[in-house]
Amino acid sequence: LAKTTQPISMDSYEGQEVNITCSHNNIATNDYITWYQQFPSQGPRFIIQGYKTKVTNEVASLFIPADRKSSTLSLPRVSLSDTAVYYCLALEGFKTIFGAGTRLFVKA
Amino acid sequence: GAGVSQSPSNKVTEKGKDVELRCDPISGHTALYWYRQSLGQGLEFLIYFQGNSAPDKSGLPSDRFSAERTGGSVSTLTIQRTQQEDSAVYLCASSLSMGQGFDEQFFGPGTRLTVL
Repeated sequence: LAKTTQPISMDSYEGQEVNITCSHNNIATNDYITWYQQFPSQGPRFIIQGYKTKVTNEVASLFIPADRKSSTLSLPRVSLSDTAVYYCLALEGFKTIFGAGTRLFVKA
Repeated sequence: GAGVSQSPSNKVTEKGKDVELRCDPISGHTALYWYRQSLGQGLEFLIYFQGNSAPDKSGLPSDRFSAERTGGSVSTLTIQRTQQEDSAVYLCASSLSMGQGFDEQFFGPGTRLTVL
């Protein structure tokens, strides 16, 4: 079964780079690796997606090793507003599996 | 343009009552998803629609839960004989095409259901 494993929580300070790693040992060959962000009392919001190697957008970078059994979301120079829960997603047929997520707390 | 909307935003009901939750997806999005999120927890997948069809209903927690989608647009999630453990935020999302991993899902604000 598709499953993702992430750290439960992380703390950081403003201006630091934050790396959140997700394990997805059973990822299917055709599956993309997707990350979402969720603020309190809001629905999740798409951050970034990739299949292999490295993807970068205006918000984050995603690093995926050749075996694709893990991925690392990198947030450069975090600010207080980056305090949120970050989810690494897996697919299981038609089901989108959100894990428990990583609760990132950014301190001043 | 308009995003995904859900109604009501909050619903308080008594145990044993039926409730209907509504989702209006982004226009043109053929895929629609329902999730449930209990306080402090991750999202639990409930059901997915491609057009008006739900290929996999196994995520629904019990036979008290049902969902339908009409006209390839609005979807309704119905919970019959509500129980206190049904209390949660129910989130709806839509995406442009089939439920593939590379389809960005756009989420609504959710409906907070409280069963007394």
